[in-house]
Amino acid sequence: DQQVKQNSPSLSVQEGRISILNCDYTNSMFDYFLWYKKYPAEGPTFLISISSIKDKNEDGRFTVFLNKSAKHLSLHIVPSQPGDSAVYFCAATFRGGSQGNLIFGKGTKLSVKP
Amino acid sequence: ETGVTQSPTHLIKTRGQQVTLRCSSQSGHNTVSWYQQALGQGPQFIFQYYREEENGRGNFPPRFSGLQFPNYSSELNVNALELDDSALYLCASSHDYSGNTIYFGEGSWLTVV
Repeated sequence: DQQVKQNSPSLSVQEGRISILNCDYTNSMFDYFLWYKKYPAEGPTFLISISSIKDKNEDGRFTVFLNKSAKHLSLHIVPSQPGDSAVYFCAATFRGGSQGNLIFGKGTKLSVKP
Repeated sequence: ETGVTQSPTHLIKTRGQQVTLRCSSQSGHNTVSWYQQALGQGPQFIFQYYREEENGRGNFPPRFSGLQFPNYSSELNVNALELDDSALYLCASSHDYSGNTIYFGEGSWLTVV
């Protein structure tokens, strides 16, 4: 039973355009969500996060939107650059618990074409 | 550069053998978690150590065990290796166990043959 789902295994976008990566979750107890970027042969790198008390968080070209009623979040990258090509993982956690383990989706491979 | 270092980066083991993977956490971080990432999957939580005590465990059998040392570095031990244990093993450190931003190392690639 997958609690965090990224239903698009891959996404291809033209340089300069918007990339939208989607993530759905099933556990309403999750209260903190994170996006990680992963290049081949490297560990995941933290990108941006959002608390469940917010519906939007922005950091430069990256914006995460959270729709709690739909249990859906999305990562927008504007404008997309070739260096953004990587696998993006959505992760969720419950910060009120006794441990802060992350539940990850399977990832979406983003390819940004020049 | 996250400040989390893991060793070795790659290793090959035979089914039935034992393996120890090591991790140095970021300075000031007292919590270490280990994740297994199989090919085509997201990382899966194995366990977490907070101030040298196991503070939570995912759905992994007891042959996966760990240690955290006073300097907060950590080891992951896997006994009786199986072919399905072939994966990238990621160590992550954080300031505490509450789920705030977690920083990952580059991982140790384990191949079991």
